[in-house]
Amino acid sequence: TQLLEQSPQFLSIQEGENLTVYCNSSSVFSSLQWYRQEPGEGPVLLVTVVTGGEVKKLKRLTFQFGDARKDSSLHITAAQPGDTGLYLCAGADRETSGSRLTFGEGTQLTVNP
Amino acid sequence: DTEVTQTPKHLVMGMTNKKSLKCEQHMGHRAMYWYKQKAKKPPELMFVYSYEKLSINESVPSRFSPECPNSSLLNLHLHALQPEDSALYLCASSQDQVSGETQYFGPGTRLLVL
Repeated sequence: TQLLEQSPQFLSIQEGENLTVYCNSSSVFSSLQWYRQEPGEGPVLLVTVVTGGEVKKLKRLTFQFGDARKDSSLHITAAQPGDTGLYLCAGADRETSGSRLTFGEGTQLTVNP
Repeated sequence: DTEVTQTPKHLVMGMTNKKSLKCEQHMGHRAMYWYKQKAKKPPELMFVYSYEKLSINESVPSRFSPECPNSSLLNLHLHALQPEDSALYLCASSQDQVSGETQYFGPGTRLLVL
């Protein structure tokens, strides 16, 4: 069974601060997705990373996939209240689980004005 | 356009009622999914349809009955639900099941079973 450990579980910061969220596993994934979810809404896909060592940037968000494709991080620079939400990482392994996504437990981020 | 739509947005039903949740996508995706999500928890996979055929049933109780009338539509029929079935029900789609890691989610249906 593949597991994704996501940390921290909760994060409350002030506007303008930087933060990093981590997803770690002992398993190799063929790709990893990051989603953001607001209360009562569905998860919104932020990025998919597929290559070991890959770095993708989305405005103030930087996503990195580990060289061994077992871990990933999301770094937010100068956080804003609009960044508040539940951040979920989800890994997929085409060979063993196909379309089954392994989700992390999520990071609830609150950015205070 | 990466939109998945779901109706209704909210649903309240009694334990003896029969209701249906609907999901639609027009991205040409051939894999569609139903997830159940409890508060502050990640989504849990329920069913996967691939090319309109049921591909995965994650041992979901028979009071949940999925249906895929065509490649754009996915329904979830509900009957004799229990209060613990109250949750956010999410539909998702992907290009196909093999490359199913990039899934696009709908806004969900918030279900309350009384």
